[in-house]
Amino acid sequence: GDSVTQMEGPVTLSEEAFLTINCTYTATGYPSLFWYVQYPGEGLQLLLKATKADDKGSNKGFEATYRKETTSFHLEKGSVQVSDSAVYFCALGRGATNKLIFGTGTLLAVQP
Amino acid sequence: SAVISQKPSRDICQRGTSLTIQCQVDSQVTMMFWYRQQPGQSLTLIATANQGSEATYESGFVIDKFPISRPNLTFSTLTVSNMSPEDSSIYLCSVDRQGSGNTIYFGEGSWLTVV
Repeated sequence: GDSVTQMEGPVTLSEEAFLTINCTYTATGYPSLFWYVQYPGEGLQLLLKATKADDKGSNKGFEATYRKETTSFHLEKGSVQVSDSAVYFCALGRGATNKLIFGTGTLLAVQP
Repeated sequence: SAVISQKPSRDICQRGTSLTIQCQVDSQVTMMFWYRQQPGQSLTLIATANQGSEATYESGFVIDKFPISRPNLTFSTLTVSNMSPEDSSIYLCSVDRQGSGNTIYFGEGSWLTVV
């Protein structure tokens, strides 16, 4: 069945460092891919998405490119801030069912 | 994004009791979903709730434990029945705004602790 694998955390970075959080997926066909963010004490927010191969989702300085050849959707940001400290979830969705399958989440801690 | 309001936002519950969580959306949506996030874990889909039909439950979740109502296109409830400490979780309501599978938004969650 479909699944999502994320790099384990926590990821600890200094402010202005480059961020990569790896996400790979297993699925048949062409799922949609998402990154959600959960700030401390809050619910999930959609960060970005890509619905087909080679699409690049971007938001708030974060980017991820849908790579079908490597079945990946890695999250990147060129310069992280303390306010980016949160848990990041990669997810896979099927348009027909609207269900999301989530990775285990990666805790990012950015230090000043 | 959709505005999704959940009540209660937090609660501490006694074991053996039941609690109903409400989810209100600012516009009509066909599909609503309920997820569970156990402490330190990822999200797991409990069920899909469509207006006018029985909820569809995922493997490992049953209606007797998690009864769901969907009386109209903007509202749903999830009840956690006969709670035990293992039910301590965040319960999140989710909607597919456009019905395409690509516009799925979440409420802020209901953080339940069972003692």
